[in-house]
Amino acid sequence: DSGVTQTPKHLITATGQRVTLRCSPRSGDLSVYWYQQSLDQGLQFLIQYYNGEERAKGNILERFSAQQFPDLHSELNLSSLELGDSALYFCASSVEPTGVSYNEQFFGPGTRLTVL
Amino acid sequence: GDSVTQMEGPVTLSEEAFLTINCTYTATGYPSLFWYVQYPGEGLQLLLKATKADDKGSNKGFEATYRKETTSFHLEKGSVQVSDSAVYFCALSGKAAGNKLTFGGGTRVLVKP
Repeated sequence: DSGVTQTPKHLITATGQRVTLRCSPRSGDLSVYWYQQSLDQGLQFLIQYYNGEERAKGNILERFSAQQFPDLHSELNLSSLELGDSALYFCASSVEPTGVSYNEQFFGPGTRLTVL
Repeated sequence: GDSVTQMEGPVTLSEEAFLTINCTYTATGYPSLFWYVQYPGEGLQLLLKATKADDKGSNKGFEATYRKETTSFHLEKGSVQVSDSAVYFCALSGKAAGNKLTFGGGTRVLVKP
């Protein structure tokens, strides 16, 4: 158990809908990262938050957004869903980004999103 | 930008066989390198890491050495077990890119008894 929790574990929805994925980082971790794992794109970094502020953006679609709350949990919002958004969405947390040395990222179990 | 290339699977082995998974990378500067493992139905777990050239990461019998001259970080295990069946991901974290991880495509390993 990494200490990172994600809910829900599975989500099935229809095209055009909007969903929210939730992540609670490990106790004491200030950074949260979101990754998408799909068959065609592999594992891709979406976005990072550090202590409530957006820190880095990757291949995140404009239909997707995220935020990190004062209690440090994070939510990833996916809207106008398309079939191609079906994937596993992972959240990871780390102590803090330093830019000098690497802080290990701990991954949650993921949320499997199926868009029908 | 940063990229990681690893050998495609699946790799099928017999128990106690030697495992090698090749990984090469492209990055500016001196990235940190990692191997993550994903067991069926689970999230990713850090298997080992190396943060500078010539470092050797090791864990659970797995080893990988950071080779800057060949931009490689190949994963090896001398004697695999059925429980090593999983998907293995090579990844890097470039300082210029903050702390985010760039992953290779993953290599599925199946160990048969």
